[in-house]
Amino acid sequence: SQQGEEDPQALSIQEGENATMNCSYKTSINNLQWYRQNSGRGLVHLILIRSNEREKHSGRLRVTLDTSKKSSSLLITASRAADTASYFCATPKPNAGGTSYGKLTFGQGTILTVHP
Amino acid sequence: EPEVTQTPSHQVTQMGQEVILRCVPISNHLYFYWYRQILGQKVEFLVSFYNNEISEKSEIFDDQFSVERPDGSNFTLKIRSTKLEDSAMYFCASRGIQGSNQPQHFGDGTRLSIL
Repeated sequence: SQQGEEDPQALSIQEGENATMNCSYKTSINNLQWYRQNSGRGLVHLILIRSNEREKHSGRLRVTLDTSKKSSSLLITASRAADTASYFCATPKPNAGGTSYGKLTFGQGTILTVHP
Repeated sequence: EPEVTQTPSHQVTQMGQEVILRCVPISNHLYFYWYRQILGQKVEFLVSFYNNEISEKSEIFDDQFSVERPDGSNFTLKIRSTKLEDSAMYFCASRGIQGSNQPQHFGDGTRLSIL
């Protein structure tokens, strides 16, 4: 089954530093998605990268995808205290016919703490 | 920006009671989902719903669970006879139809506490 697993499990940095989180998955994918979850809140979609893309940017976020290694990374540049949250990668599972109802499989997440 | 809204934000229920969690997905979305997250654990898929029927469900989604889209806006999750292990955050999500490469948009969740 598809499974996103992030590492490290926890990351503690100072404001202004960059934070890199990694994700590995097991089976072929159509896309990979990164989400953020602030404590006690819902999941906020950050970036979706398609399987035919290698890199994608959104503001201070940069996501890479290496389908040969079945891995992705999320880089947050110039981090801020407000970036403190849990970060998850998730992969949608296509059904047997190849279409996708989009069931997402999440990893355990990386807990990022940015100290002011 | 359109949002997925969930009510209530916190529900406390006695074991064995029925509970209904409510969600209003984004208005032009057609795929709907429920997930749950037990404290300290991964977000787990429960069920997906499309075209007025369940399209996929997990092993967690047993006979005690049901979903309904009673009108054009609400999407509900019902747990018929709650157990202690049903205590979790329950998240609703919805997705548009423009191909499969679309993200899911999540609500802020309902924290369900079973006593």
